Amino acid sequence: QVQLVQSGAEVKKPGASVKVSCKASGYTFTSYGISWVRQAPGQGLEWMGWISAYNGNTNYAQKLQGRVTMTTDTSTSTAYMELRSLRSDDTAVYYCARDGERIVGATTFFDYWGQGTLVTVSS
Amino acid sequence: EIVMTQSPATLSVSPGERATLSCRASQSVSSNLAWYQQKPGQAPRLLIYGASTRATGIPARFSGSGSGTEFTLTISSLQSEDFAVYYCQQYNNWPPGFGQGTKVEIK
Repeated sequence: QVQLVQSGAEVKKPGASVKVSCKASGYTFTSYGISWVRQAPGQGLEWMGWISAYNGNTNYAQKLQGRVTMTTDTSTSTAYMELRSLRSDDTAVYYCARDGERIVGATTFFDYWGQGTLVTVSS
Repeated sequence: EIVMTQSPATLSVSPGERATLSCRASQSVSSNLAWYQQKPGQAPRLLIYGASTRATGIPARFSGSGSGTEFTLTISSLQSEDFAVYYCQQYNNWPPGFGQGTKVEIK
């Protein structure tokens, strides 16, 4: 069965960086893209960006351009999201989510989600 | 960027009753609309994609309709496990975007 298992909770100081991992299993990793979605406490869902697990192409949300980097390691079927220059408003649960369809160049819905990783930014 | 607006923000419904949730897009998204359910402390779960196709394992009491800019999620007879927050998401254009959510609570 498809599973996305994320790394554990993190506490970071303002200005620091965080790198969250998402290990995939139960499917051919390179066949589907991965998006990252975050949710601030008590708030809704915010799409952060997408990476093709096939060729590493990325598409980032404009507001995070320059602070976020998404990568994959196909040898371990793991996706990573690094966020730099952390601020207090980056405190959120971060989710990885698999593309629901394989359509080149288009965005899609998300059929499987990781369990979430809480990142707390506090001095 | 397409803005997704959900209404109402909170819906109070008795178990066994019907719930109707709305989602509006700021421009046409064709049928590229998904619905998710999220319970406290859990990741979102895909319910509907393509505006009206139920995801694998989703009960038939969940149905989606609409196209263009107006969409509806209907839960025909609410069960105790259906009380949750529901989000719509457009995937017609980059960036994909979510509505702000509708909380379905017990009346």
